[in-house]
Amino acid sequence: DAKTTQPNSMESNEEEPVHLPCNHSTISGTDYIHWYRQLPSQGPEYVIHGLTSNVNNRMASLAIAEDRKSSTLILHRATLRDAAVYYCILLYPGTASKLTFGTGTRLQVTL
Amino acid sequence: ETGVTQSPTHLIKTRGQQVTLRCSSQSGHNTVSWYQQALGQGPQFIFQYYREEENGRGNFPPRFSGLQFPNYSSELNVNALELDDSALYLCASTWAGSTEAFFGQGTRLTVV
Repeated sequence: DAKTTQPNSMESNEEEPVHLPCNHSTISGTDYIHWYRQLPSQGPEYVIHGLTSNVNNRMASLAIAEDRKSSTLILHRATLRDAAVYYCILLYPGTASKLTFGTGTRLQVTL
Repeated sequence: ETGVTQSPTHLIKTRGQQVTLRCSSQSGHNTVSWYQQALGQGPQFIFQYYREEENGRGNFPPRFSGLQFPNYSSELNVNALELDDSALYLCASTWAGSTEAFFGQGTRLTVV
């Protein structure tokens, strides 16, 4: 499986934008880029996914590099409720529940 | 609220015992996966069931086994418990062709 590399931790001030990077230099042409997050004492939850084009939804935006070797999850205005571990995961189509989690990025949000 | 519920929420077992963890998925979710999450680590894929058949397995020994039932419930069974089996066990469900998995809140298993 292609691997992803993320920083161990990041900090942000509340109501500021947050850019969470992910490197995936060995991504294959059919791999989708998925992001999940895990809030304290909860199971992971889906955030967003994309293949080549940038994507937006109510939770976040996903910016994908032209060569697809990296991507960035963007939280436009971080809140205290966004404090979580964010995981960047590569998925072959049709394998939505066979997720290979790394250690993710722990996001701290402060007032 | 994901519609995926797990029971029990916490459990303490003794080394060598057997344990059964349960998961109830949303109606229509014909695929269920189980994960083990050790403290400070990301979840690790144990196995997946699709229409009541095992359909993929991670690097876990045969003493980890599962069942999926037609009523969208499933079980994870672990035999001969070891201390290292202490972890949060997560269940995730989805349907074939979906791009999103829905996780329960997990069962915290402690083996003493």
